[in-house]
Amino acid sequence: DGGITQSPKYLFRKEGQNVTLSCEQNLNHDAMYWYRQDPGQGLRLIYYSQIVNDFQKGDIAEGYSVSREKKESFPLTVTSAQKNPTAFYLCASSIVRGGAQETQYFGPGTRLLVL
Amino acid sequence: SQQGEEDPQALSIQEGENATMNCSYKTSINNLQWYRQNSGRGLVHLILIRSNEREKHSGRLRVTLDTSKKSSSLLITASRAADTASYFCATSERNRDDKIIFGKGTRLHILP
Repeated sequence: DGGITQSPKYLFRKEGQNVTLSCEQNLNHDAMYWYRQDPGQGLRLIYYSQIVNDFQKGDIAEGYSVSREKKESFPLTVTSAQKNPTAFYLCASSIVRGGAQETQYFGPGTRLLVL
Repeated sequence: SQQGEEDPQALSIQEGENATMNCSYKTSINNLQWYRQNSGRGLVHLILIRSNEREKHSGRLRVTLDTSKKSSSLLITASRAADTASYFCATSERNRDDKIIFGKGTRLHILP
């Protein structure tokens, strides 16, 4: 059963704490993405990766870090430098065909709350 | 950076009516995609239309693309309560092949 999974579903962060959100896919997609969604808003791109061991900053990368050691996995760390981390975080993956972005497949999301 | 902008921001219609949502964008694109998001869930891909296509259908969905006006529309015919969701357009920009850019979405509410 192919798909993309995120864990945990809910995550609580204490002030000054780093937390890591998991994203795994078994779709054999090269590209993976992290988005942040605030209430009533669209998606803003945090980081993306098109190949293992390489990733690029999106529009709102400050206060976040990622790694891409395996094709299947793209974890996101929300660092203490991110002062307003409360949001819904979505991970996605896709193939890239002929240089153009194709359909993105999304995980169910992680809701991060600050204690 | 935001490329697509959906219109209207919110839409309420009676069950059985047709729902039309529009998306405008600013630069040349490779393709335009529409996604649906139920409350508190991830996005689900609905349809992709390439820059050389003008119309695509999928079940009760019809998407049009007018590259001269840099706009697209999503039509849902014979709406159902289950269609209640937010709908987003996303564009793959030409010369920016590494990502797609989402609009803020249209919140659709189907009234019983």
